[in-house]
Amino acid sequence: DVKVTQSSRYLVKRTGEKVFLECVQDMDHENMFWYRQDPGLGLRLIYFSYDVKMKEKGDIPEGYSVSREKKERFSLILESASTNQTSMYLCASGGSGNTIYFGEGSWLTVV
Amino acid sequence: AQSVAQPEDQVNVAEGNPLTVKCTYSVSGNPYLFWYVQYPNRGLQFLLKYITGDNLVKGSYGFEAEFNKSQTSFHLKKPSALVSDSALYFCAVSGEGTYKYIFGTGTRLKVLA
Repeated sequence: DVKVTQSSRYLVKRTGEKVFLECVQDMDHENMFWYRQDPGLGLRLIYFSYDVKMKEKGDIPEGYSVSREKKERFSLILESASTNQTSMYLCASGGSGNTIYFGEGSWLTVV
Repeated sequence: AQSVAQPEDQVNVAEGNPLTVKCTYSVSGNPYLFWYVQYPNRGLQFLLKYITGDNLVKGSYGFEAEFNKSQTSFHLKKPSALVSDSALYFCAVSGEGTYKYIFGTGTRLKVLA
């Protein structure tokens, strides 16, 4: 079975803090994704990566950056957290035309 | 541009009755279509996909979906609903040769005992 692991399920951070969300996949997938999920808005793509050290902006990249130093790991970084970044963050991995698999999600609250 | 629409925020159905969750899409070229389910406080789980071939696709937990090219639809169906099917369902589309998946806003399915 494909496993996508998000190491932090629930986080509470203060405004202005730097936040790291980590994601690891075990299927040797080239592509990895970060989405955020908000009620009524569905899933919105923040960034995706199609290879190590390669990244592309999604639909809502502002306020976020990413890092992919190794194929299995894709990190989402909030340089200076703000309250409007309180959300559920979902990592996924997969390939073009193939199924993408999701982690269990990270609930981030910024106070 | 790719887009996905799930016109119903919520669908209620009685246990044992057939269920349909609707999805329409817009994409250039041949679409890759997916359905996912999300239970409370969990990530999304893959249910089924259409890439090519038979328009009726069977997936996990007894779900199936019908690809209709002329209506650009990919509705999710199940012949007999269970209370345990109650969850949030997402339709997604990916264009051929792209890495980006676009998700609908989700439909909450409530199966009533």
